[in-house]
Amino acid sequence: DVKVTQSSRYLVKRTGEKVFLECVQDMDHENMFWYRQDPGLGLRLIYFSYDVKMKEKGDIPEGYSVSREKKERFSLILESASTNQTSMYLCASSPTTSRFNSEQYFGPGTRLTVT
Amino acid sequence: AQTVTQSQPEMSVQEAETVTLSCTYDTSESDYYLFWYKQPPSRQMILVIRQEAYKQQNATENRFSVNFQKAAKSFSLKISDSQLGDAAMYFCASGGSNYKLTFGKGTLLTVNP
Repeated sequence: DVKVTQSSRYLVKRTGEKVFLECVQDMDHENMFWYRQDPGLGLRLIYFSYDVKMKEKGDIPEGYSVSREKKERFSLILESASTNQTSMYLCASSPTTSRFNSEQYFGPGTRLTVT
Repeated sequence: AQTVTQSQPEMSVQEAETVTLSCTYDTSESDYYLFWYKQPPSRQMILVIRQEAYKQQNATENRFSVNFQKAAKSFSLKISDSQLGDAAMYFCASGGSNYKLTFGKGTLLTVNP
């Protein structure tokens, strides 16, 4: 089974702190994704990586950056956390076996609260 | 660009009954996939069912089936013989040539005993 893990289930940080959210997958997937999930808004893509050291902005990249130094690990960075970044963050991965087979596998999520 | 619309923020069903969740989408892709994901309370998002747009036959996975109407850009999920464990947030999603998925806003399904 594909396993996607995230470093924390719950995280509380203060405004202005630098926050790192880590995601690791064990299936050698090329693609990795970071989403935020808010009630009534569904999942919105923050950043996407299709290879090591490669990244692409999603729909809401402002206030976030990412790092992918190794294939299995994709980090989301909040340079200076703000209260409007309080949310559930989901990581996902997918293989590049077929161009249109875009099924993604999700981690358990990190619920981040910024106070 | 792709858009996915789920018009039912909440639905409820009696245990053992059938319920249908609606989804419409819009895409400029000529070939694409459609998905239904399930997110149980405080648990991980998992894939329920997927449909290749070039296949006319509707996908089925045990009690879960879809009604895919390509011309109408409609992709509804039918859950038969509903069980308490089906209670969850359900997301419809579409994926195209760039590996990315576009999600709807979700439908919260309650199953009443």
